[in-house]
Amino acid sequence: EVQLVETGGGLVQPGRSLKLSCVASGFTFNNYWMSWTRQAPGKGLEWVASITNSGGSTYYPDSVKGRFTISRDNAQNTLYLQMNSLRSEDTATYYCTRLYRGYVMDAWGQGASVTVSS
Amino acid sequence: NIVLTQSPASLAVILGQKATISCTASESVNKFGINLMHWYQQKPGQLPKILIYNEFSRAPGIPARFSGDEAELNFTLTIEPVEADDVATYYCQQGLTFPLTFGSGTKLEIK
Repeated sequence: EVQLVETGGGLVQPGRSLKLSCVASGFTFNNYWMSWTRQAPGKGLEWVASITNSGGSTYYPDSVKGRFTISRDNAQNTLYLQMNSLRSEDTATYYCTRLYRGYVMDAWGQGASVTVSS
Repeated sequence: NIVLTQSPASLAVILGQKATISCTASESVNKFGINLMHWYQQKPGQLPKILIYNEFSRAPGIPARFSGDEAELNFTLTIEPVEADDVATYYCQQGLTFPLTFGSGTKLEIK
């Protein structure tokens, strides 16, 4: 069974940093691209970052480019999201997602809640 | 960026009837003859789940009541017959190019 388990969420002040982790199991992690997608309270879904299966290439929307960094450790079956210079608008539940062909998000973690507030 | 305009924002349907949700793309999402448009279901308080991928292919375990179609950049998710368990918000997402983008969501309720 495919499982994605996020950790590292919490309350953080504006301008500070936070790092999320996602441990994957039930599939061959290094065969898949991975992503982070977020959902602000009561809002829709927003793609945040993607990384190739080797970790050699990464992709971001303009809203987080230069502030967020996605990375992975294939030996540990773990995906990361380093979030710097956090803003109130980054408050959301962050989902770790597996990407399949056509960039379909075919597996989702339970989500990690991040609140940016003073 | 590819913009996805989803409508309606909310929809109330009688049990057993048909629900139709639309997602219009600002440009083609076709790659090698396949429309890379995907649909997700998010039930209240739950995480999103893939329903339909590549325009019309149902994800494993998804019943045939859910179907996807396309006509001139207008993608449609149809649920027929609607069941009580289908109460959820539905999102479309394009998988052609980065940035990956989602529609704004359609909330389905039972009338």
